[in-house]
Amino acid sequence: TQLLEQSPQFLSIQEGENLTVYCNSSSVFSSLQWYRQEPGEGPVLLVTVVTGGEVKKLKRLTFQFGDARKDSSLHITAAQPGDTGLYLCWWGGATNKLIFGTGTLLAVQP
Amino acid sequence: DSGVTQTPKHLITATGQRVTLRCSPRSGDLSVYWYQQSLDQGLQFLIQYYNGEERAKGNILERFSAQQFPDLHSELNLSSLELGDSALYFCASSVVGGLAGGGSYNEQFFGPGTRLTVL
Repeated sequence: TQLLEQSPQFLSIQEGENLTVYCNSSSVFSSLQWYRQEPGEGPVLLVTVVTGGEVKKLKRLTFQFGDARKDSSLHITAAQPGDTGLYLCWWGGATNKLIFGTGTLLAVQP
Repeated sequence: DSGVTQTPKHLITATGQRVTLRCSPRSGDLSVYWYQQSLDQGLQFLIQYYNGEERAKGNILERFSAQQFPDLHSELNLSSLELGDSALYFCASSVVGGLAGGGSYNEQFFGPGTRLTVL
């Protein structure tokens, strides 16, 4: 079974700090998506990375896909309370193997 | 707003009962996915329909069933409900594309969810 392991599982930081969340697998993926979910709401797509070594930026969020396409990271600069939520990496290729990461629960304290 | 709609928003029922959750995908999307999210289990894929046909099954119990109608809306039926079925149920529709050199991507757009409470 393909798995996406995320670390850390929980993260509580102060506003203004930087953080990095990791998504790792022993398998190679053609693409990965990152989602953020706020309490009681559905996950929202943040980004899709498709090329090994690719870096994408979304305001203060920087996403990177590993060169070997087995891992990905999400870096948040100067975290704000609005960044609080559950961050999920996800792969769902056309083979219909839908794999969600284990999730990282981030709390940013004002 | 993802464009995916789900009703009802909240549902409270008793053990042994049957409920139906409804989902409409984004305009133009043919796939509907159903997920269950509980506090201790994370987001669990249940089932996928594509243009009216079942495409993939995940951890769906035999007491649960789903269908997708010609207008592409989908219903998830949960029967003989147990306390442990209390959870958030999400549906999603998706954009699937091929990638140069092979492989594919699958971007999911989630609805607001239905919170089911079984008492």
